[in-house]
Amino acid sequence: EPEVTQTPSHQVTQMGQEVILRCVPISNHLYFYWYRQILGQKVEFLVSFYNNEISEKSEIFDDQFSVERPDGSNFTLKIRSTKLEDSAMYFCASRRGGSVYNEQFFGPGTRLTVL
Amino acid sequence: DQQVKQNSPSLSVQEGRISILNCDYTNSMFDYFLWYKKYPAEGPTFLISISSIKDKNEDGRFTVFLNKSAKHLSLHIVPSQPGDSAVYFCAALNSNYQLIWGAGTKLIIKP
Repeated sequence: EPEVTQTPSHQVTQMGQEVILRCVPISNHLYFYWYRQILGQKVEFLVSFYNNEISEKSEIFDDQFSVERPDGSNFTLKIRSTKLEDSAMYFCASRRGGSVYNEQFFGPGTRLTVL
Repeated sequence: DQQVKQNSPSLSVQEGRISILNCDYTNSMFDYFLWYKKYPAEGPTFLISISSIKDKNEDGRFTVFLNKSAKHLSLHIVPSQPGDSAVYFCAALNSNYQLIWGAGTKLIIKP
């Protein structure tokens, strides 16, 4: 069964460093998402991506964040200069085209720890 | 206001009995609701959804009920099984098609 994969499973970085979180969505999916969950808090929408551009982003997704689909398979989230408060689980999700009500499939997440 | 609330952080239910997980929302414009299940070290997995034009949707052991006037939905699992032990998230799709999540309820099924 196809699944969304994410690497690494755990990323530790120093404050101020750049990190890139990687996702491989399901191959025939067209819509891609990043969410984050700070420990003990709700899952929060960050950004959605379609047709090689951002379609929606939340107020969390400021200039420190960027997303890219560098090739036909990867979908990346870059944080340019990490802050302590960026420590969270980051989930990638994808869905096929068609109805917006089609299910989003989630990856296992990357735990980001900023020291 | 786009809040989705799950007021019970945890729930413990005997195996074989019914589990009822509750969710409230504040935005009457939400028209599509979803339940996700999450095991430790895994991403959320879609469980069941309901459109605001319905008041009930059933899939096997899982039934979601929607009470629009009360802005309340619930997930019923019957009979509960040990494999149902997980964190359950309620979510709503907003007008920008973003998922707005509740805080989750940890369900523990006791043998």
